[in-house]
Amino acid sequence: DTGVSQNPRHKITKRGQNVTFRCDPISEHNRLYWYRQTLGQGPEFLTYFQNEAQLEKSRLLSDRFSAERPKGSFSTLEIQRTEQGDSAMYLCASSWDSLNTEAFFGQGTRLTVV
Amino acid sequence: AQSVSQHNHHVILSEAASLELGCNYSYGGTVNLFWYVQYPGQHLQLLLKYFSGDPLVKGIKGFEAEFIKSKFSFNLRKPSVQWSDTAEYFCAVNINYGGSQGNLIFGKGTKLSVKP
Repeated sequence: DTGVSQNPRHKITKRGQNVTFRCDPISEHNRLYWYRQTLGQGPEFLTYFQNEAQLEKSRLLSDRFSAERPKGSFSTLEIQRTEQGDSAMYLCASSWDSLNTEAFFGQGTRLTVV
Repeated sequence: AQSVSQHNHHVILSEAASLELGCNYSYGGTVNLFWYVQYPGQHLQLLLKYFSGDPLVKGIKGFEAEFIKSKFSFNLRKPSVQWSDTAEYFCAVNINYGGSQGNLIFGKGTKLSVKP
């Protein structure tokens, strides 16, 4: 499978714990995006990388959230001191860096904070 | 701030009925427009896209969408739906920065249920 891969698919954690998700984009894509989707809503942008540089962060990305993309390949999204409001589907997408291109999405990581 | 509005939260149709899902966006400049579909238990998949040129774009599975710039709209249509079209449909836009594009802004989605 050469699509966007996300791990784990599901994560249940206790409030206050730290969690980390991984995204492996399509190999030739140099842009990588993180989105969050809650019930009844469309995906909401969190952050994106061009190669290893994090170019934009949404105001939704509180200081408990951090994302990295070392070496411009896979990316990790870490949430520290999780809260129940962090429960959501976290989506990763990747694309080429060109004018007219679409983003390809992974299947997401569903986080449940109990 | 830019936003995308999808007018219908949940649409229920019988097989063979025609479909039109509304989408409006708020941005006065050049945009790229997309419809994504999410089948139950699956990831978001691109249905169709508009970058420039003919405002009537055709996508997969018989779907099409028309970009009407004056109305800031990009409505999705299908002449005859099938049970397998049951899914959630998301309209999305990104701003054409003239060399690259920013992040996608999504609508809240429309859930389509097709009765056999």
